[in-house]
Amino acid sequence: DTAVSQTPKYLVTQMGNDKSIKCEQNLGHDTMYWYKQDSKKFLKIMFSYNNKELIINETVPNRFSPKSPDKAHLNLHINSLELGDSAVYFCASSLSAVSNQPQHFGDGTRLSIL
Amino acid sequence: AQTVTQSQPEMSVQEAETVTLSCTYDTSESDYYLFWYKQPPSRQMILVIRQEAYKQQNATENRFSVNFQKAAKSFSLKISDSQLGDAAMYFCAYRSLTNAGKSTFGDGTTLTVKP
Repeated sequence: DTAVSQTPKYLVTQMGNDKSIKCEQNLGHDTMYWYKQDSKKFLKIMFSYNNKELIINETVPNRFSPKSPDKAHLNLHINSLELGDSAVYFCASSLSAVSNQPQHFGDGTRLSIL
Repeated sequence: AQTVTQSQPEMSVQEAETVTLSCTYDTSESDYYLFWYKQPPSRQMILVIRQEAYKQQNATENRFSVNFQKAAKSFSLKISDSQLGDAAMYFCAYRSLTNAGKSTFGDGTTLTVKP
């Protein structure tokens, strides 16, 4: 019973392509997140949704577009992929936006741009 | 904006010994949450321990404990009786109670456990 599952685990594609990463949580949480972890392992938040509403939108190129069809799903679509987009992307969820409960992370999607 | 600093990029410890990982943060908020997460080579991020800023008592979870110094804005993690399975990257995280609950992560400390 995977709590936060994201697909695919690995994504290898060429520069200029468009790709999507999907995320689903079965914890009944209200809030979901996308993080980017670069090659130096730095972890930075990109977006956060609470009950399908965007609540955090960090300085991210508009080539990145998140979508939350319901509170259990948060997908990330990336247009015109660039070399600098190579990273591991983590989806996470938490009980609510402001909570002492921890975030639960997926296993990450390693995106490699050729 | 909040910042989180982990001043030790790498640490090593002998198996069964104790090690302390440091974390400091900068904030103007009076209430917030702090977390330590572990990321083993398998890549999954796992919660180690959490602390509410309004609580004076330091959190403990089995072999893991924190030294929370609110005035100094310090939140160090102590691992006692280190085990080989503790080898991982450890991230300190600050969670705001405003700003939509945004979490800010430190740059991580890679812990090596020597047999």
